[in-house]
Formats: sequence, C-alpha cells, structure tokens
Amino acid sequence: TQLLEQSPQFLSIQEGENLTVYCNSSSVFSSLQWYRQEPGEGPVLLVTVVTGGEVKKLKRLTFQFGDARKDSSLHITAAQPGDTGLYLCATLRGGFKTIFGAGTRLFVKA
Amino acid sequence: DAGITQSPRHKVTETGTPVTLRCHQTENHRYMYWYRQDPGHGLRLIHYSYGVKDTDKGEVSDGYSVSRSKTEDFLLTLESATSSQTSVYFCAISFGTSGNTDTQYFGPGTRLTVL
Repeated sequence: TQLLEQSPQFLSIQEGENLTVYCNSSSVFSSLQWYRQEPGEGPVLLVTVVTGGEVKKLKRLTFQFGDARKDSSLHITAAQPGDTGLYLCATLRGGFKTIFGAGTRLFVKA
Repeated sequence: DAGITQSPRHKVTETGTPVTLRCHQTENHRYMYWYRQDPGHGLRLIHYSYGVKDTDKGEVSDGYSVSRSKTEDFLLTLESATSSQTSVYFCAISFGTSGNTDTQYFGPGTRLTVL
C-alpha cells in the first residue's frame, strides 16, 4: 500500500477536454507537491501547496489541497497535446525525504 | 535548468557484475538523491545525501550503496547487480529549503538493464 494513492492510473482524452486527477492518503501532510514528467526526462516541479483548502493556478492547471490536508487534486482545463505526461504527487516525510505516488499517465490526442 | 548530469545514460550489464552510476551537479546544492522508477511504483528513494560523506537510506536501499566525497558528485553502486535492479535511475538535487517547500531538480535518468 502506497502512502499516496493517485487516480486514475491512466487517462486518454481528446484535445480541448477537461480533466481532474487525484492524490489521496489517510495521512495528514504539511505540504504536497505536483510534478510532471515527460517521456525520457526527469520530473519537473509544477507547484507546492501547504495550506488546507489552498488553490493555486498555473495557466490552465488548477491545484487544490484538501481542507484536511489529506488529499489534493489537479484540474486541467482545455487539455492540449503538450499536457501529455506523467503527473506525480509527492510529499516530504522525515526531513528532506520525498515520497512519490505512482502517478497518473495522461495522453492528450490532437 | 539545474545543472545535473548522469552517466552513463544507458547501460546493459550481466547479473553479478558491479555497476556504478554517477550524478554530477554544478549548482552547489546540499542535498542529493538517488531514485529508481518502475512501472506502477512511481519514484522510490534509494539513498540520499545531506552533505559530503553524510548519507542515509531511503525506502528501497537493499543491494545499493552510495558515496559522496565531493559536493558535486554522488555515486550509486550496485555491488552485484540482479535482474530486479533493472530500472530507470534518477538523480535529484535540492537546496534544503525549510518549511516543507523544498524543490527537487532531477537529472535526465540512467536506463539500466541487468541480463
């Protein structure tokens, strides 16, 4: 059982559609991060959320941290092929050790 | 982009042979990490370093050792490679920002195949 459960595991949609992916846990976190990984590359940090209920926007991406700080969501509006990739949520545990979820693999078809 | 390089980028080796992967940074970041990435598991921490000669185990450290003799270099060694260690290995660095907002910067990865 992973500390961070991500859903769905895989998502294939048409360009222009909206989507939401989730990161859930039974534990409370002091912060949660979202990374995006493109094929053949390392992950890149998109955002860090630290306050329960916090909402952050990054162009067409909206990130929300649950009120109880146990879950987070990533919503993409009008998805584009450039959004294709693996979306990973992560949290710091025990100092500077980061634990990652298994990820949601998104494919946006043109 | 953070200056992180990994070498080699690809390696094929045989079971039982030793393998060393190198991570090199030009950012003078204090923290360095080694992860492996396998389908269905995301990224799992193998070992990390919080300074020269200061290292600690991650969640999947069995069969791996690390060394950091200089700030810029972090080596991952598989003493006797096994097929279960076939994976993509990523190095990462971070400054060590307090307040649970530390950002990790990842290298391009090394694809290791153990036959």
